[in-house]
Amino acid sequence: DAGVTQSPTHLIKTRGQQVTLRCSPKSGHDTVSWYQQALGQGPQFIFQYYEEEERQRGNFPDRFSGHQFPNYSSELNVNALLLGDSALYLCASSLGGANEQFFGPGTRLTVL
Amino acid sequence: QKEVEQNSGPLSVPEGAIASLNCTYSDRVSQSFFWYRQYSGKSPELIMSIYSNGDKEDGRFTAQLNKASQYVSLLIRDSQPSDSATYLCAVNSYQVDSNYQLIWGAGTKLIIKP
Repeated sequence: DAGVTQSPTHLIKTRGQQVTLRCSPKSGHDTVSWYQQALGQGPQFIFQYYEEEERQRGNFPDRFSGHQFPNYSSELNVNALLLGDSALYLCASSLGGANEQFFGPGTRLTVL
Repeated sequence: QKEVEQNSGPLSVPEGAIASLNCTYSDRVSQSFFWYRQYSGKSPELIMSIYSNGDKEDGRFTAQLNKASQYVSLLIRDSQPSDSATYLCAVNSYQVDSNYQLIWGAGTKLIIKP
């Protein structure tokens, strides 16, 4: 049983560029949550997708957008990258919104 | 603003001793509580879930929940150097849009000294 997968593992971009991160949930899960984790901090909730819709959103600007596909996989898009967007981006899947969440390995984004 | 608070540490514990990690939360209606372990540079790994008052044991780990006092703790018995990591507490919290959302603490860094 494959767990949560994310791609790519690492990514280097420059300011102003756009990036797309991808996530495939654990088998049987229908909900995907995205988090940003800066060094030394806890995960910061970006948004959550369920039934192909954004169900909840954290305190992130509209530059952060996402999508969920019929197979429950999800994408996170970030436009007009800033240096401060450099972080570990985590995807977590669950059955339902606030049940046990299982994380993928993360994507390390560096913005130069 | 609903919050989850943890002591950032580092908490240093001798090998073989009991490590005690604490977490307090502000939302009185929270129903689900989770402990995650995160090694440096890795993603969080779920180690314990607890939903009812009292203790829940799983191997060397015991989670304790006290809803009246709004705290949840994690005890690690016979601590090993491999337990050195950051431990994150997460609590589900009811939101105004009628959905629950996991609220995360910033984590406690645990160091087990051989």
